[in-house]
Amino acid sequence: NAGVTQTPKFQVLKTGQSMTLQCAQDMNHEYMSWYRQDPGMGLRLIHYSVGAGITDQGEVPNGYNVSRSTTEDFPLRLLSAAPSQTSVYFCASHRGVQSTQYFGPGTRLLVL
Amino acid sequence: AQTVTQSQPEMSVQEAETVTLSCTYDTSESNYYLFWYKQPPSRQMILVIRQEAYKQQNATENRFSVNFQKAAKSFSLKISDSQLGDTAMYFCAFFFPDAGNMLTFGGGTRLMVKP
Repeated sequence: NAGVTQTPKFQVLKTGQSMTLQCAQDMNHEYMSWYRQDPGMGLRLIHYSVGAGITDQGEVPNGYNVSRSTTEDFPLRLLSAAPSQTSVYFCASHRGVQSTQYFGPGTRLLVL
Repeated sequence: AQTVTQSQPEMSVQEAETVTLSCTYDTSESNYYLFWYKQPPSRQMILVIRQEAYKQQNATENRFSVNFQKAAKSFSLKISDSQLGDTAMYFCAFFFPDAGNMLTFGGGTRLMVKP
């Protein structure tokens, strides 16, 4: 099993550009989440999904959009990138409310 | 609101020795799950150990064990027989099923294992 995969691994954007961070999981997990990790800090939740067609906001949702059209995929969209969005982004998935979250390898994003 | 505090930004230990990483938290929730994650230089988040708050028995996973003190709201990680590969950032994290689908993380402890 590939587990949770993320692409790209690294991306440089200019302020105002848009892009989509991809996340996929092959474990048939209902729950998927996006976190960001800033230097010297733990992860903070951006958005999450409890199943196809259902998404909700986390702790730091501003500037990001998500959708969940399939169980496997959960892309994160930046509509107009800002330097404050420079961070490492992690996607995670888990089967049920009580189960452990498994993380992808992360995407490092630099916004100039 | 839930808060998680790791008061040791950095720690070091000699190879083969034992080290304990501290974590305290504050919550009014009664149902929650506690985790320790390891993040090596590769940045991959790796689950080390998991504890259910309703269980009194402390979780153990090979060289890793926890000391969960629910009344004191403390959740420390003990690493026995430290190995060079244990060098990493360690995060404690909590999941509250009744308070949104999010892991709440502490700020992390950077552990260096010295040969």
